Amino acid sequence: KAGVTQTPRYLIKTRGQQVTLSCSPISGHRSVSWYQQTPGQGLQFLFEYFSETQRNKGNFPGRFSGRQFSNSRSEMNVSTLELGDSALYLCASRSRGAVGELFFGEGSRLTVL
Amino acid sequence: GQQVMQIPQYQHVQEGEDFTTYCNSSTTLSNIQWYKQRPGGHPVFLIQLVKSGEVKKQKRLTFQFGEAKKNSSLHITATQTTDVGTYFCAGRNTGNQFYFGTGTSLTVIP
Repeated sequence: KAGVTQTPRYLIKTRGQQVTLSCSPISGHRSVSWYQQTPGQGLQFLFEYFSETQRNKGNFPGRFSGRQFSNSRSEMNVSTLELGDSALYLCASRSRGAVGELFFGEGSRLTVL
Repeated sequence: GQQVMQIPQYQHVQEGEDFTTYCNSSTTLSNIQWYKQRPGGHPVFLIQLVKSGEVKKQKRLTFQFGEAKKNSSLHITATQTTDVGTYFCAGRNTGNQFYFGTGTSLTVIP
């Protein structure tokens, strides 16, 4: 079974630009969540989608948005990039099993110059 | 808002020494999960604790969930170089949302 796939793996943008990151969950997983990871801050929850609906949202500004498609693939978008948006963005999918552990992708490392 | 604090932030140990990381939540959790992230890698699920006072073991790793379901710990006995990485706890609230701790970065000195 293929794991969670995130693209692109690395990207460099400049301030003011926007970026779109993509995540394909494990086949059969309908829940996809996004996290921002920066040194010393751990994993900050961005949002979670289930069956194309946003179920939870973290404390991030409106510049951060996401969506989920009918095939469970998800995208997140960051507009008007700031230097502080430089981070590893991790996507995780989850089944509805008893444990419901998160399966993470390798992440998309964004650098904002 | 809900917070999950984790200490220590960094820990250096000699190979063979024990290691413990602690996780504390500001609110009661429905369950708690632990993840390990190797350097340059992504978090990988280790275990989930659900019941108050629960203790689970995986070889040299011992996981505990507090009686009040607001704290948890991970203890590694006789660390090995393969234990290197960052250990995160993730508390789940009744709203099914995960709150990750800041992580403890473990360095094992051979």
